[in-house]
Amino acid sequence: GESVGLHLPTLSVQEGDNSIINCAYSNSASDYFIWYKQESGKGPQFIIDIRSNMDKRQGQRVTVLLNKTVKHLSLQIAATQPGDSAVYFCAETYSSASKIIFGSGTRLSIRP
Amino acid sequence: NAGVTQTPKFRILKIGQSMTLQCTQDMNHNYMYWYRQDPGMGLKLIYYSVGAGITDKGEVPNGYNVSRSTTEDFPLRLELAAPSQTSVYFCASRRLAGGPEDTQYFGPGTRLTVL
Repeated sequence: GESVGLHLPTLSVQEGDNSIINCAYSNSASDYFIWYKQESGKGPQFIIDIRSNMDKRQGQRVTVLLNKTVKHLSLQIAATQPGDSAVYFCAETYSSASKIIFGSGTRLSIRP
Repeated sequence: NAGVTQTPKFRILKIGQSMTLQCTQDMNHNYMYWYRQDPGMGLKLIYYSVGAGITDKGEVPNGYNVSRSTTEDFPLRLELAAPSQTSVYFCASRRLAGGPEDTQYFGPGTRLTVL
Protein backbone atom coordinates (compact mmCIF):
# COMPACT_ATOMS: atom_id res chain seq x y z
CA GLY A 1 0.00 0.00 0.00
CA GLU A 2 0.96 3.62 0.05
CA SER A 3 3.46 4.64 2.66
CA VAL A 4 5.96 7.30 3.37
CA GLY A 5 8.58 6.47 5.95
CA LEU A 6 11.74 7.82 7.44
CA HIS A 7 15.00 5.97 7.98
CA LEU A 8 15.99 7.78 11.19
CA PRO A 9 13.49 8.74 13.89
CA THR A 10 16.01 11.06 15.66
CA LEU A 11 19.02 12.98 14.45
CA SER A 12 21.58 14.86 16.57
CA VAL A 13 23.78 17.36 14.75
CA GLN A 14 26.55 19.72 15.84
CA GLU A 15 25.65 23.36 15.43
CA GLY A 16 27.11 24.64 12.19
CA ASP A 17 27.24 21.23 10.52
CA ASN A 18 24.96 20.17 7.70
CA SER A 19 21.93 18.00 8.46
CA ILE A 20 20.50 15.35 6.19
CA ILE A 21 17.06 13.92 6.86
CA ASN A 22 15.96 10.98 4.73
CA CYS A 23 12.59 9.71 3.62
CA ALA A 24 11.44 6.68 1.65
CA TYR A 25 8.18 6.42 -0.24
CA SER A 26 6.53 3.45 -1.87
CA ASN A 27 3.88 4.90 -4.19
CA SER A 28 5.48 5.21 -7.61
CA ALA A 29 2.50 7.31 -8.73
CA SER A 30 3.42 10.10 -6.31
CA ASP A 31 4.57 13.16 -8.18
CA TYR A 32 4.68 15.88 -5.55
CA PHE A 33 6.68 15.80 -2.35
CA ILE A 34 6.77 18.22 0.54
CA TRP A 35 8.91 18.76 3.61
CA TYR A 36 7.37 20.26 6.73
CA LYS A 37 8.96 21.55 9.93
CA GLN A 38 7.07 21.30 13.19
CA GLU A 39 8.35 23.20 16.19
CA SER A 40 7.23 22.27 19.65
CA GLY A 41 3.63 23.29 20.32
CA LYS A 42 3.02 24.49 16.77
CA GLY A 43 1.47 23.20 13.59
CA PRO A 44 3.61 21.92 10.70
CA GLN A 45 5.07 24.60 8.46
CA PHE A 46 5.95 24.25 4.80
CA ILE A 47 9.69 24.25 4.13
CA ILE A 48 10.18 23.18 0.54
CA ASP A 49 8.54 21.05 -2.11
CA ILE A 50 9.59 19.23 -5.25
CA ARG A 51 7.80 17.73 -8.21
CA SER A 52 8.74 14.46 -9.82
CA ASN A 53 10.05 16.15 -12.96
CA MET A 54 12.92 17.54 -10.87
CA ASP A 55 15.66 15.80 -8.88
CA LYS A 56 16.87 18.77 -6.88
CA ARG A 57 15.42 21.98 -5.57
CA GLN A 58 17.09 24.59 -3.42
CA GLY A 59 15.71 27.10 -0.98
CA GLN A 60 17.29 29.26 1.64
CA ARG A 61 19.76 26.92 3.44
CA VAL A 62 17.63 23.92 2.48
CA THR A 63 17.88 21.53 -0.45
CA VAL A 64 15.56 18.68 -1.32
CA LEU A 65 16.82 15.79 -3.40
CA LEU A 66 14.54 13.30 -5.11
CA ASN A 67 15.68 9.93 -6.39
CA LYS A 68 12.74 8.33 -8.18
CA THR A 69 14.71 5.20 -9.04
CA VAL A 70 14.90 4.16 -5.39
CA LYS A 71 11.88 6.16 -4.23
CA HIS A 72 13.87 8.27 -1.84
CA LEU A 73 13.98 11.91 -0.94
CA SER A 74 16.13 13.85 1.44
CA LEU A 75 16.19 17.24 3.09
CA GLN A 76 19.56 18.89 3.53
CA ILE A 77 19.93 21.80 5.93
CA ALA A 78 23.14 23.78 5.58
CA ALA A 79 24.94 25.23 8.62
CA THR A 80 22.40 23.92 11.11
CA GLN A 81 21.31 26.44 13.70
CA PRO A 82 19.57 26.07 17.08
CA GLY A 83 16.39 27.35 15.46
CA ASP A 84 16.37 24.30 13.21
CA SER A 85 15.51 22.08 16.18
CA ALA A 86 12.14 20.55 15.32
CA VAL A 87 10.43 17.49 13.96
CA TYR A 88 10.62 17.22 10.18
CA PHE A 89 7.97 15.43 8.14
CA CYS A 90 8.10 14.38 4.55
CA ALA A 91 4.81 14.04 2.69
CA GLU A 92 3.73 12.80 -0.72
CA THR A 93 0.77 13.07 -3.00
CA TYR A 94 -0.05 12.87 -6.70
CA SER A 95 -1.72 15.37 -8.95
CA SER A 96 -5.23 14.00 -8.88
CA ALA A 97 -5.20 13.09 -5.20
CA SER A 98 -7.00 14.97 -2.47
CA LYS A 99 -5.00 13.50 0.37
CA ILE A 100 -1.40 14.15 1.34
CA ILE A 101 0.31 11.20 3.04
CA PHE A 102 2.68 12.04 5.87
CA GLY A 103 5.69 10.14 7.08
CA SER A 104 6.26 9.47 10.77
CA GLY A 105 8.73 12.31 11.29
CA THR A 106 12.37 12.82 12.34
CA ARG A 107 13.33 14.84 15.37
CA LEU A 108 16.37 17.03 14.75
CA SER A 109 18.32 18.15 17.81
CA ILE A 110 21.27 20.52 17.73
CA ARG A 111 24.36 20.11 19.91
CA PRO A 112 26.04 23.39 20.90
CA ASN B 1 -4.41 37.04 5.64
CA ALA B 2 -4.83 35.32 9.00
CA GLY B 3 -4.34 31.94 7.30
CA VAL B 4 -5.85 28.99 9.16
CA THR B 5 -7.26 29.71 12.60
CA GLN B 6 -8.44 27.19 15.16
CA THR B 7 -10.40 27.56 18.36
CA PRO B 8 -10.14 26.73 21.17
CA LYS B 9 -6.41 26.33 21.81
CA PHE B 10 -6.94 24.02 24.76
CA ARG B 11 -9.87 22.05 26.11
CA ILE B 12 -10.49 19.46 28.78
CA LEU B 13 -13.53 17.24 28.37
CA LYS B 14 -15.10 14.60 30.55
CA ILE B 15 -15.85 11.20 29.08
CA GLY B 16 -19.11 11.29 27.16
CA GLN B 17 -19.18 15.05 26.63
CA SER B 18 -19.34 16.54 23.18
CA MET B 19 -17.69 19.53 21.60
CA THR B 20 -16.93 21.20 18.28
CA LEU B 21 -13.46 22.21 17.20
CA GLN B 22 -13.61 25.25 14.95
CA CYS B 23 -11.45 25.84 11.89
CA THR B 24 -11.55 28.82 9.54
CA GLN B 25 -9.35 29.79 6.62
CA ASP B 26 -9.35 33.08 4.71
CA MET B 27 -7.25 32.01 1.73
CA ASN B 28 -10.23 30.80 -0.35
CA HIS B 29 -8.78 27.31 -0.39
CA ASN B 30 -11.17 24.65 -1.54
CA TYR B 31 -9.49 21.73 0.24
CA MET B 32 -9.60 21.43 4.02
CA TYR B 33 -8.38 18.70 6.36
CA TRP B 34 -8.51 17.57 9.98
CA TYR B 35 -5.61 15.65 11.48
CA ARG B 36 -4.85 14.35 14.92
CA GLN B 37 -1.37 14.02 16.33
CA ASP B 38 -0.72 11.85 19.33
CA PRO B 39 2.41 12.55 21.46
CA GLY B 40 5.61 11.74 19.58
CA MET B 41 3.71 10.55 16.56
CA GLY B 42 2.92 11.70 13.06
CA LEU B 43 -0.29 13.10 11.64
CA LYS B 44 -3.33 10.93 11.06
CA LEU B 45 -6.06 12.15 8.72
CA ILE B 46 -9.52 12.19 10.29
CA TYR B 47 -11.70 13.83 7.61
CA TYR B 48 -11.19 16.05 4.62
CA SER B 49 -13.24 18.15 2.27
CA VAL B 50 -12.66 19.10 -1.35
CA GLY B 51 -15.23 21.87 -1.34
CA ALA B 52 -18.35 23.22 0.31
CA GLY B 53 -20.91 20.47 0.81
CA ILE B 54 -18.41 17.65 0.19
CA THR B 55 -16.66 15.67 2.92
CA ASP B 56 -14.91 12.33 3.05
CA LYS B 57 -13.37 10.03 5.62
CA GLY B 58 -9.66 9.78 6.25
CA GLU B 59 -7.70 7.11 8.14
CA VAL B 60 -9.32 7.53 11.59
CA PRO B 61 -12.87 8.92 11.24
CA ASN B 62 -14.59 6.93 13.99
CA GLY B 63 -15.93 9.10 16.79
CA TYR B 64 -15.87 12.28 14.71
CA ASN B 65 -18.12 14.16 12.32
CA VAL B 66 -17.56 17.13 10.05
CA SER B 67 -19.53 19.52 7.94
CA ARG B 68 -18.56 22.03 5.26
CA SER B 69 -21.34 24.50 4.67
CA THR B 70 -19.00 27.28 3.51
CA THR B 71 -15.60 27.47 1.84
CA GLU B 72 -14.11 29.12 4.91
CA ASP B 73 -15.27 26.87 7.76
CA PHE B 74 -14.67 23.20 8.50
CA PRO B 75 -15.76 22.32 12.06
CA LEU B 76 -14.94 18.95 13.63
CA ARG B 77 -17.50 17.45 16.02
CA LEU B 78 -16.80 14.97 18.81
CA GLU B 79 -20.10 13.51 19.98
CA LEU B 80 -19.12 11.18 22.86
CA ALA B 81 -15.62 12.01 23.99
CA ALA B 82 -13.39 9.10 24.94
CA PRO B 83 -9.88 9.08 26.50
CA SER B 84 -8.54 7.69 23.21
CA GLN B 85 -9.42 11.04 21.63
CA THR B 86 -6.89 12.86 23.79
CA SER B 87 -4.62 14.40 21.17
CA VAL B 88 -3.62 17.57 19.38
CA TYR B 89 -5.92 18.37 16.48
CA PHE B 90 -4.70 20.26 13.45
CA CYS B 91 -6.76 21.77 10.70
CA ALA B 92 -5.20 22.47 7.33
CA SER B 93 -6.24 23.98 4.04
CA ARG B 94 -4.93 23.69 0.51
CA ARG B 95 -5.50 25.30 -2.84
CA LEU B 96 -6.90 23.25 -5.72
CA ALA B 97 -4.66 20.24 -6.30
CA GLY B 98 -2.37 20.37 -9.28
CA GLY B 99 -1.34 24.01 -8.97
CA PRO B 100 2.23 25.33 -8.75
CA GLU B 101 2.26 24.99 -4.97
CA ASP B 102 -0.02 22.31 -3.58
CA THR B 103 1.16 22.38 0.00
CA GLN B 104 -1.13 22.51 2.98
CA TYR B 105 -1.24 25.39 5.42
CA PHE B 106 -1.79 24.34 9.01
CA GLY B 107 -3.51 26.00 11.91
CA PRO B 108 -1.88 26.25 15.37
CA GLY B 109 -3.74 23.24 16.74
CA THR B 110 -6.21 22.44 19.52
CA ARG B 111 -4.90 20.43 22.46
CA LEU B 112 -7.72 18.22 23.74
CA THR B 113 -7.65 16.13 26.90
CA VAL B 114 -10.44 13.71 27.74
CA LEU B 115 -10.59 12.59 31.37
